Amino acid sequence: KAGVTQTPRYLIKTRGQQVTLSCSPISGHRSVSWYQQTPGQGLQFLFEYFSETQRNKGNFPGRFSGRQFSNSRSEMNVSTLELGDSALYLCASSFSSYNEQFFGPGTRLTVL
Amino acid sequence: GQQVMQIPQYQHVQEGEDFTTYCNSSTTLSNIQWYKQRPGGHPVFLIQLVKSGEVKKQKRLTFQFGEAKKNSSLHITATQTTDVGTYFCAGKDYGGSQGNLIFGKGTKLSVKP
Repeated sequence: KAGVTQTPRYLIKTRGQQVTLSCSPISGHRSVSWYQQTPGQGLQFLFEYFSETQRNKGNFPGRFSGRQFSNSRSEMNVSTLELGDSALYLCASSFSSYNEQFFGPGTRLTVL
Repeated sequence: GQQVMQIPQYQHVQEGEDFTTYCNSSTTLSNIQWYKQRPGGHPVFLIQLVKSGEVKKQKRLTFQFGEAKKNSSLHITATQTTDVGTYFCAGKDYGGSQGNLIFGKGTKLSVKP
């Protein structure tokens, strides 16, 4: 079956702008988690959605938000971009919170 | 909050040598998962350990979960150049049915042919 897809793959924005990233999970997976990956901080959890409800949220400012649609596709939004938001944003889907996560290829965001 | 520490941060080995990475949690874990991320790639699931003291093997890879369910290790025997990448452990808080998966910072393995 098809893997997790993320769009766009690359994005360049300037400070103060906002961005929306999209994630399509594996068919049948209802849990979608988002992570920020940077060389210094590793993989940091942003939030998890399950059946359109945010189940968990990491330690990120309110500028980071997300949502999940009825078909399990998810989006994350970052408003008022800062230079420090430059990172690889990874989406992972799983059947449930206790199962393995399948990661997408990520969206590489660069903020200038 | 829950923290997952992973050591070493980097490991350089000669092909054929063994490699071990260790993962320690500040809290008891309900399970632990291991992932591998190749350079330029995304994390790929390797295995999940659930039971106290559990040991699982995948060819040259051996995974262990500590008796107290607070630590884990991944051992690779006779490394090959295909083993290059960053290995992450990720644990979920015990009893935290809605807790998120916390990732260690990873161990970056390089293998010299």
